[in-house]
Amino acid sequence: EAQVTQNPRYLITVTGKKLTVTCSQNMNHEYMSWYRQDPGLGLRQIYYSMNVEVTDKGDVPEGYKVSRKEKRNFPLILESPSPNQTSLYFCASSAWTGGYNEQFFGPGTRLTVL
Amino acid sequence: AQSVSQHNHHVILSEAASLELGCNYSYGGTVNLFWYVQYPGQHLQLLLKYFSGDPLVKGIKGFEAEFIKSKFSFNLRKPSVQWSDTAEYFCAVNRKGGATNKLIFGTGTLLAVQP
Repeated sequence: EAQVTQNPRYLITVTGKKLTVTCSQNMNHEYMSWYRQDPGLGLRQIYYSMNVEVTDKGDVPEGYKVSRKEKRNFPLILESPSPNQTSLYFCASSAWTGGYNEQFFGPGTRLTVL
Repeated sequence: AQSVSQHNHHVILSEAASLELGCNYSYGGTVNLFWYVQYPGQHLQLLLKYFSGDPLVKGIKGFEAEFIKSKFSFNLRKPSVQWSDTAEYFCAVNRKGGATNKLIFGTGTLLAVQP
């Protein structure tokens, strides 16, 4: 089954404790992206990747890092989480053939930083 | 900068009522337009999309949307809602021919359908 998976689905942590949220897709998609969803703000893009070893900042990249060492994986790293990073995070992937290609979203990771 | 406005933050309807959710976008160029739905506890799913052609697009589950270029609008409609339509709905745009696949989302409309 074609899908985007994220782990963990729920995470409660404390300020400053490094964490990684994994994202994996099995559709051989070139493009992957991370969004955060906050009440009243909708979804905002954090980082995206056009292909392996190609990443770039989205609209709200501060406090986050990403890497794209393999095509299927695009982990989101919070080196020193803070309470304002409490949010619902979605990973998405799509083919990249020029123009727009439909993005497929993962199930979300609900992060709470105390 | 691109932006998307959804006018209704919360909508409460009774079953069988008609639905219209407003969406306006701000961008001077050509865009692709989308409506996504998020059922409670689930991930985003694509309801429908507009790339070009007939401005009235039909999506899944009886939803449709009309692109009115002169009004920069892409309102979502359904003639008769069901309890199972209770969800959050997001309008999104993407710049046609852009260098990335980035979607700009509206703030969402929470729809509650009462049985």
